[in-house]
Parts: sequence; C-alpha cells; structure tokens
Amino acid sequence: AQSVTQLGSHVSVSEGALVLLRCNYSSSVPPYLFWYVQYPNQGLQLLLKYTSAATLVKGINGFEAEFKKSETSFHLTKPSAHMSDAAEYFCAVSPRSGSRLTFGEGTQLTVNP
Amino acid sequence: EPEVTQTPSHQVTQMGQEVILRCVPISNHLYFYWYRQILGQKVEFLVSFYNNEISEKSEIFDDQFSVERPDGSNFTLKIRSTKLEDSAMYFCASSETSGTGEQFFGPGTRLTVL
Repeated sequence: AQSVTQLGSHVSVSEGALVLLRCNYSSSVPPYLFWYVQYPNQGLQLLLKYTSAATLVKGINGFEAEFKKSETSFHLTKPSAHMSDAAEYFCAVSPRSGSRLTFGEGTQLTVNP
Repeated sequence: EPEVTQTPSHQVTQMGQEVILRCVPISNHLYFYWYRQILGQKVEFLVSFYNNEISEKSEIFDDQFSVERPDGSNFTLKIRSTKLEDSAMYFCASSETSGTGEQFFGPGTRLTVL
C-alpha cells in the first residue's frame, strides 16, 4: 500500500523567502512521485514529477523537488516566494503508470507581503 | 494545449436523485480516472478505467457508483441515489498508456446534495 504524509497543513512565508513544503512517502515499490498545485476554486495542476530519472526534479514556476530514497522524502522547494505562489500543494505517489494516485493531506501556502 | 474538460461545473441535486457527471479526457489518452475532494479534505481516488473496463477502484466506489465510456470521447460517473455525504468536488483525470504516469486533471464538478 502507498501513503503520503505532508508535514504542516499550513505554511506561511514572506515574499522573497525560501519555500519548503515537506512530503514523505511509503511505498513497497519504486514510486512515481508528483507535486500538484490547486489554486482557489480550480483543478489540480502538475508542478513536477519524479519517475526514477534524475533525483533533483525541476518543475514549473521555479519549483523543484529532490527525491531522497534513504529518507523516503520528496520535499518541494522554491528559492524565492512570490505572492502568486499562494495556493494549496499536494504531494502524490503512484506505484506505476496507469495506477491510482494517493494524495497527501495538502499544505496551504500563504505568502505575506 | 490539450486539456481535460468536465461538465457541469456545478450540480445541485436532491438526496436520492441520480446524477451523471461528464468528462472529456485528452484525446490520445487511454487511462481515465475519477477522484473526489470533500471540502477541506484531501483528494481521494475513486476509480480508474482502461480498455472499457474498471482497472482499479477504491472502497468508496460502491454499488451506488458506476462509470461508462458511452462513445469515443466522453467518460461519465453516475451516482444512482445521492446522499448528503456525496457532496464534494469530483475531478476527472486521464493519462497515457505508458510513460511517466502523469495524470492530467479537469477543472472539476462541484456536486451539492441537499
């Protein structure tokens, strides 16, 4: 069975500060890992994905994530937060292509001016 | 850029009524999914569909739910007799047969059961 834990349901940063959103996963097989972003009243947009290639993955809007197998982590970072980054972020895991995504609880990111 | 579309954007229904939520997946995708998100909660998997049959379903997807691909473009989720607890945002997604497993999500249908 797969599971995802996102530490911190709410994260608040100042504009220009580092963003760090934490994700730990549990998987019995090498996982596919994803970060999705959800803006208010909108659907889910893929930020980035890890699929067993490079462990440091770059995504859209300046976000990146590093897969660390030893820590079973896939934390999302952005060097400098922008007001437009305020949204809810979901980490998700899948055992293979075509299989269900298991989502974490989500982290609401607030960016303060 | 191709995208997943869903209709209606908002559906209000009375408890016990049947509803059909509709989705048009990306045209060359062959895996289709339904997820739901109850207000304030995480996104939950309902069902996946491939080659005209259910490939996976969760414990949420009981006999009240069914899915269908009635033609070459639409993918539907039917709830036979809605309950108050079915009120949620329902997302359709699709993915390619192989590759990275990336699922593309539609904008969702907000279902409100009164």
